[in-house]
Amino acid sequence: GAGVSQSPSNKVTEKGKDVELRCDPISGHTALYWYRQSLGQGLEFLIYFQGNSAPDKSGLPSDRFSAERTGGSVSTLTIQRTQQEDSAVYLCASSSGSRTGELFFGEGSRLTVL
Amino acid sequence: DAKTTQPTSMDCAEGRAANLPCNHSTISGNEYVYWYRQIHSQGPQYIIHGLKNNETNEMASLIITEDRKSSTLILPHATLRDTAVYYCIVRANNNDMRFGAGTRLTVKP
Repeated sequence: GAGVSQSPSNKVTEKGKDVELRCDPISGHTALYWYRQSLGQGLEFLIYFQGNSAPDKSGLPSDRFSAERTGGSVSTLTIQRTQQEDSAVYLCASSSGSRTGELFFGEGSRLTVL
Repeated sequence: DAKTTQPTSMDCAEGRAANLPCNHSTISGNEYVYWYRQIHSQGPQYIIHGLKNNETNEMASLIITEDRKSSTLILPHATLRDTAVYYCIVRANNNDMRFGAGTRLTVKP
């Protein structure tokens, strides 16, 4: 597609359930980022993938959060045993991988944990 | 990585220039200044970036002081659609772009 695609756009789940959020980056982009944005707050960095390098996981808030990127393209963010404080918009971005390339963001996945 | 300081909010009259300041007094020689904005309910959008020289594109102009300790993003003729949160980020490369609270710009008719 032309832009970064995320799915689902909205997800409502019960506390304790696992959720998976998907990100399809722009074709050819080697860098992929996940951010979280709680209501009325700024963007919180979660994880960064660049090519075949080990991902930068320094922003993951707990071990309930994990992400993978298969084949250097699609990425999945998994949240296990969801808690109410996990409710937020999860944003994915990709870039060409150049040092100063701009980030292109998707529209986000809004997660609501009841 | 250098920290940035931006005003929490600003207003601007429609059709006038919007000048958004950013302080980055601890910036290093290899760090770029990036600007993004986020319109309500959308993902952030890249605006412009620069290292030392002033930059201009179809969206905005970026003025960086000679000592590089501060910069100003200029929207020359603000429209209602420019109402958004504007983020100033200083990074040596883009592999760990961290967004702060930004400046909430409200363009008023």
